[in-house]
Amino acid sequence: GNSVTQMEGPVTLSEEAFLTINCTYTATGYPSLFWYVQYPGEGLQLLLKATKADDKGSNKGFEATYRKETTSFHLEKGSVQVSDSAVYFCALSRRDDKIIFGKGTRLHILP
Amino acid sequence: NAGVTQTPKFQVLKTGQSMTLQCAQDMNHEYMSWYRQDPGMGLRLIHYSVGAGITDQGEVPNGYNVSRSTTEDFPLRLLSAAPSQTSVYFCASSYQGNSPLHFGNGTRLTVT
Repeated sequence: GNSVTQMEGPVTLSEEAFLTINCTYTATGYPSLFWYVQYPGEGLQLLLKATKADDKGSNKGFEATYRKETTSFHLEKGSVQVSDSAVYFCALSRRDDKIIFGKGTRLHILP
Repeated sequence: NAGVTQTPKFQVLKTGQSMTLQCAQDMNHEYMSWYRQDPGMGLRLIHYSVGAGITDQGEVPNGYNVSRSTTEDFPLRLLSAAPSQTSVYFCASSYQGNSPLHFGNGTRLTVT
């Protein structure tokens, strides 16, 4: 079946550091891939998405590229801020099927 | 446009009680789903629906029922609450299965 594996947290970085959160997937066909973010006390919200191979999703300085050859969708940001502290979820979905989430990675940015 | 509305925000139940968590969306989304979020467990899918009249089980369906009589509403029923159902519950919807999800603000449920 379809599945998503993302790196265990928590991840602690200093402000302005480079961020990578790894995400790999297993799926049949060509799923859409997503990153969601959950700030403390809130529900999840979409951060970025990609719908086909080699697509790059980007938002708020975050980027992720849909790599079909490595079945990966790693999240990156060049210079993190304290306000990026949150839990990040990788997810995949196919039309008319359930959406699968990874377990989430908690990110903590130190000032 | 209210998005996804969940009620109540907080609820305390005694073991064995039943209740319904409400979820409504006003975006004419076909896909709706319920998740529970527990510390260290991420999001686990309880039930989902790809359209009115159609529901299916997720990875943790036991102890929960759903129905989808209209496009807008997708209530989650706890039949006989157990302490293991203490969690934060999120309802989410999307235009279709591979579209971005819109989440409600969650219901924090405690079963004593």
